Amino acid sequence: DIQMAQSPSSLSASVGDTVTITCRASQGISNHLAWFQQKPGKAPKSLIYSASILESGVPSNFSGSGSGTYFTLTITSLQPEDLATYYCQQYYSYPPTFGGGTKVEFK
Amino acid sequence: EVQLLQSGGGLVQPGGSLRLSCAASGFTFSNCPMSWVRQAPGKGLEWVSAVSPTGGSTYYTDSVKGRFTISRDNSKSTVYLQLDSLRAEDTAAYYCAKGEVGATYYFDHWGQGTLVSVSS
Repeated sequence: DIQMAQSPSSLSASVGDTVTITCRASQGISNHLAWFQQKPGKAPKSLIYSASILESGVPSNFSGSGSGTYFTLTITSLQPEDLATYYCQQYYSYPPTFGGGTKVEFK
Repeated sequence: EVQLLQSGGGLVQPGGSLRLSCAASGFTFSNCPMSWVRQAPGKGLEWVSAVSPTGGSTYYTDSVKGRFTISRDNSKSTVYLQLDSLRAEDTAAYYCAKGEVGATYYFDHWGQGTLVSVSS
């Protein structure tokens, strides 16, 4: 199975900050990577697929990049509603696997 | 608008059974693979099972093989997960998730989740 390593596991930031979350795959996955946002007590929501394509309706302050084994999710101008846990997931090979999550908290 | 409405779940004793349902609307259900993903309390996401658009192919993570059964009824736009021989470690929120044509394991929409609690 492909292992997905996310870092950091948590971070504290202020409104308006730019935050970056990284995700490393244990082997190359091309661009078959998605990012999800999960708010407390809610279902995950898809933000980005194919490493960099925003799902419809996702604010433009979210962006993704990367290919192969290294990927990043960047949130610019952090807003209060961005408080959540973020997960990466590879869908390059079976079985699909998720990163451990990054909890974004406010200072 | 894509909607996935889940039902089922609850408290069950070890060794017991439950059936989860996920009723879909807003898209051509019979074209799309469907999956179940679970999340143990305070933990991350774990893919559990998938079914092909026709229902002819099914897939399971190793820890549930032989105990869980995924199925679908395209006439009702519903996917099911039968959970048998439940163990304490199966306690989790279970989410149904819609795959995409050509990307079975990219989950673009999720159900609201249902809690399964296995305890004596």
